[in-house]
Amino acid sequence: GQQVMQIPQYQHVQEGEDFTTYCNSSTTLSNIQWYKQRPGGHPVFLIQLVKSGEVKKQKRLTFQFGEAKKNSSLHITATQTTDVGTYFCATMDSSYKLIFGSGTRLLVRP
Amino acid sequence: DTGVSQDPRHKITKRGQNVTFRCDPISEHNRLYWYRQTLGQGPEFLTYFQNEAQLEKSRLLSDRFSAERPKGSFSTLEIQRTEQGDSAMYLCASSWWGRTDARDTQYFGPGTRLTVL
Repeated sequence: GQQVMQIPQYQHVQEGEDFTTYCNSSTTLSNIQWYKQRPGGHPVFLIQLVKSGEVKKQKRLTFQFGEAKKNSSLHITATQTTDVGTYFCATMDSSYKLIFGSGTRLLVRP
Repeated sequence: DTGVSQDPRHKITKRGQNVTFRCDPISEHNRLYWYRQTLGQGPEFLTYFQNEAQLEKSRLLSDRFSAERPKGSFSTLEIQRTEQGDSAMYLCASSWWGRTDARDTQYFGPGTRLTVL
């Protein structure tokens, strides 16, 4: 079945530094979704990408879908303490269930 | 609050006991999903419903697990004869299938954290 691998597992940054997490698959993905989970919270949908090479921005967050639709990235510019949490990529398979990566946990030093 | 709700939020039980969790989806959503999340991992799919029909079950869902959505609204997930390995966060999500702009975006509830002693 489909799998998505996510790196790094952890990232500890100083407030104001940038952060990037990467999501990779060995197979072509029809879509990629990104979720954020705060400590003790539940996954919250951020965005979905479906087109090859697609780039979307949400304030300080930039999401990219690779040209081959096998990888994606989430970049946060100038991190803030409110960005703390685990960021998951996920793909929806042909039967509409989400397959999640293992997540990247972001810690921000104030 | 019009989001997905789950009850209870926490459940502690002894091994061998049965537990039941409830999920109330967003009211206009026709799809409901159950996922399980263990510490340090992403959620893993268990099963999903479209209206009252259960359309898919994961291999993770052993015969001790059963889920229902009797009237196409709320859903229950029951675990019989709980084992310590069942300890996890059980997440429910709902979506509206048919909204081409949303492409079946799933909205998660707060989860039920199960601890089996």
